[in-house]
Amino acid sequence: GENVEQHPSTLSVQEGDSAVIKCTYSDSASNYFPWYKQELGKRPQLIIDIRSNVGEKKDQRIAVTLNKTAKHFSLHITETQPEDSAVYFCAARPDTDKLIFGTGTRLQVFP
Amino acid sequence: DAGVIQSPRHEVTEMGQEVTLRCKPISGHDYLFWYRQTMMRGLELLIYFNNNVPIDDSGMPEDRFSAKMPNASFSTLKIQPSEPRDSAVYFCASSLGTGNEQFFGPGTRLTVL
Repeated sequence: GENVEQHPSTLSVQEGDSAVIKCTYSDSASNYFPWYKQELGKRPQLIIDIRSNVGEKKDQRIAVTLNKTAKHFSLHITETQPEDSAVYFCAARPDTDKLIFGTGTRLQVFP
Repeated sequence: DAGVIQSPRHEVTEMGQEVTLRCKPISGHDYLFWYRQTMMRGLELLIYFNNNVPIDDSGMPEDRFSAKMPNASFSTLKIQPSEPRDSAVYFCASSLGTGNEQFFGPGTRLTVL
């Protein structure tokens, strides 16, 4: 079955710097890759997603890139702000209806 | 729409007791997912339904866990008997179609003493 690995597990950056979180997946049939943000004590919420027919997608300070050949995708956050501090989860959808989540990255942005 | 609704928000029970968690998906969504989140194991999919029919329950830990979806607007996750290792946050999520955004409920924090 699909396996998603996520790195790093924790990431600390200074406000204004960029943050990059990387995920790899194992099932080449996976075709949908969402990223969720979970603030402390809150529910996971979708922040951006990408489908397998697209290599990159941007939404203001957030971007996601996908390399299907290497089977990895990354989340890029530019000009980080303290409110970006949260746990970020990547996920992949193999040729089924369910999402397989990575283990999460705890991002801390220091003022 | 109020989003996905879960109840109770917090549940504290003693080992051996039956626990029932409830979920109301977003109206019109045809997929419903139950997840369990712990520090050790992260976010695990327990079971999901499509049009009220259970499709994949391979994530259900053992026979003590069961889930039902009697209609499009209600689902339950039952643990009987509960054990301390069941302590976790249980999320329900729903989506419209597959490969689309899953909307999570606020979660139920379960503590089994």
